[in-house]
Order: sequence, then C-alpha cells, then structure tokens
Amino acid sequence: EAQVTQNPRYLITVTGKKLTVTCSQNMNHEYMSWYRQDPGLGLRQIYYSMNVEVTDKGDVPEGYKVSRKEKRNFPLILESPSPNQTSLYFCASSAAGTGNGKLFFGSGTQLSVL
Amino acid sequence: GENVEQHPSTLSVQEGDSAVIKCTYSDSASNYFPWYKQELGKRPQLIIDIRSNVGEKKDQRIAVTLNKTAKHFSLHITETQPEDSAVYFCAVYLYTGRRALTFGSGTRLQVQP
Repeated sequence: EAQVTQNPRYLITVTGKKLTVTCSQNMNHEYMSWYRQDPGLGLRQIYYSMNVEVTDKGDVPEGYKVSRKEKRNFPLILESPSPNQTSLYFCASSAAGTGNGKLFFGSGTQLSVL
Repeated sequence: GENVEQHPSTLSVQEGDSAVIKCTYSDSASNYFPWYKQELGKRPQLIIDIRSNVGEKKDQRIAVTLNKTAKHFSLHITETQPEDSAVYFCAVYLYTGRRALTFGSGTRLQVQP
C-alpha cells in the first residue's frame, strides 16, 4: 500500500530536549516536505527536499533541521524544542513530475513542548 | 512569495444545500490549484485540482472554478452530506526556486443533518 509513515503519532517533551520525528514514504517520490499546522494559520512549510542530499528552507524553518540521506526517509529534528513549537506536524511527499502539488500526507505528529 | 487568502473560515449549511469556498492569490504566474480535505483527526487529502489552462473541473458533487484574471478560484460542493463536514484547504503552486505549495488558512465546513 502506497503511504507516508510518520512516527510518533503523539509526543510530549520538555523544553530543550532534542527530538526527532521520522518520516518514510514507499512511493519512490523525489519531493518530500514538512509542514506544521496551527489553528487559523493553515499548513506552513518548514523544510523541503527535492531529492537525496538536496534540502532547503520553507516559510518557517527556524528551530528545525532536516536531512535526506536516503530517498525514502526525511526526518525532522528539533535540536532544542521550545513551547512555540507545540503544533501538529505533517510530512508529505510527491512525485517530481506532478509539480509537487499532489501531496501525499503522513498521519501527523501532535507535539507538545512543556 | 505567494499570498493565499481563503474565505470563509467557517461555514455551516443544511444537508442537501450547496457550499462554496473561495480563495484568492497574488501571483499571476501560479499555475496549479489543488484542494485538500481534512477530516477531524486525519491527514489532509487531495480531493480535486485544477491547472491554470482550465476554467472549471467537476468530479461528482464537487467542482472547482478558476478565474485567472481576477486571481481567484472556488470550491463548490453540491447536495452536501454530513460526511462532507471537514476542514478544506485551498493551495496554490508557484514555481520559484523552491517549488512550494502555499496553503490557505482553511475553512471548517459543518453540514447539519
């Protein structure tokens, strides 16, 4: 089954404790991206990757890191989480040929930073 | 970058009525306009899309219209059903150096049975 898998589904942590949210897709998609969803603000892009070893900042990259060592995986790293990073996070992927508009989303990670 | 405004933020209709959600965008070079539906606690899923060379597209009870001159596009849902209740996001694709989608802020649609 074609899917984007995110883990964990829920995460509660404390300020400053490094964490990683994993994302994996099995569709051989070139493009992967991370979004955060906050009430009234829609989906805002954090980072994206056009292909292996190619990553770049989105609209709200501060406080986040990513890496793309393999085509299928695109982890999101919070080196020192802060309460303003409490949010619902989605990983997404798409095939390059679709212009990166037809996104397949993971099931989301609800992060709370205390 | 692209700026997308979506209205209304909430919409309540009676079952069987029609619902219309509108989005405006700022960059006339934008060329792809998808709509995503997010049910409560679920992931956003693409429900319909339209490209800039097309004025209207229909898929059963949903349709999207695009007015390139006015830079706005709309989602139309006819004969609404309770299962249409969800948050709907419009999005705009503009090819820049980073080839990103910009999302609207979302519309919460409630269909009253």
